[in-house]
Amino acid sequence: EADIYQTPRYLVIGTGKKITLECSQTMGHDKMYWYQQDPGMELHLIHYSYGVNSTEKGDLSSESTVSRIRTEHFPLTLESARPSHTSQYLCASRYRVNTEAFFGQGTRLTVV
Amino acid sequence: GQQLNQSPQSMFIQEGEDVSMNCTSSSIFNTWLWYKQDPGEGPVLLIALYKAGELTSNGRLTAQFGITRKDSFLNISASIPSDVGIYFCAGQLTDYKLSFGAGTTVTVRA
Repeated sequence: EADIYQTPRYLVIGTGKKITLECSQTMGHDKMYWYQQDPGMELHLIHYSYGVNSTEKGDLSSESTVSRIRTEHFPLTLESARPSHTSQYLCASRYRVNTEAFFGQGTRLTVV
Repeated sequence: GQQLNQSPQSMFIQEGEDVSMNCTSSSIFNTWLWYKQDPGEGPVLLIALYKAGELTSNGRLTAQFGITRKDSFLNISASIPSDVGIYFCAGQLTDYKLSFGAGTTVTVRA
């Protein structure tokens, strides 16, 4: 069973607020990822990290930012939330190249 | 990212039926993963494939890594109601990114 956790599960917030979505894993995985997914649609990679102090932009442009100060923690921040940010955000991690990625349960964000 | 074409986009199943779905790409992948996602949840790994030609089973699920390394299929045998959900294929081309297909939505036929 995967030990990767996301909080909160659901978040409804007003436009202009700053938010941080948390992702933690206890498997010691170096590689971590953030995906954005609209309901019933494919997953789009928005950020990834090779390890501590390593972060890169993914394939889909996003106004969010990420940090990787500790191996187990990969938070995603939106400085000023907008309705266009409404989506599900999924965090994943993997041990190394050519291994499976494990996903958290996701955060469903609604910006009103 | 690399484009994966997943088909069919949706399918209806009747309990007991065998169903099949596949993913194709113009790029060569070195890993194929199949996930199932239930509404409001994160994807859960079903099967991982690492070698061309590899055929792997997980209970009633069977998946194969195509010989050309550009495709993969997933079969579900003797489907049951809890098989409904969205199935995603994912392919790894580089050493850090997984590209996902658009998903196959499986629904029970009324």
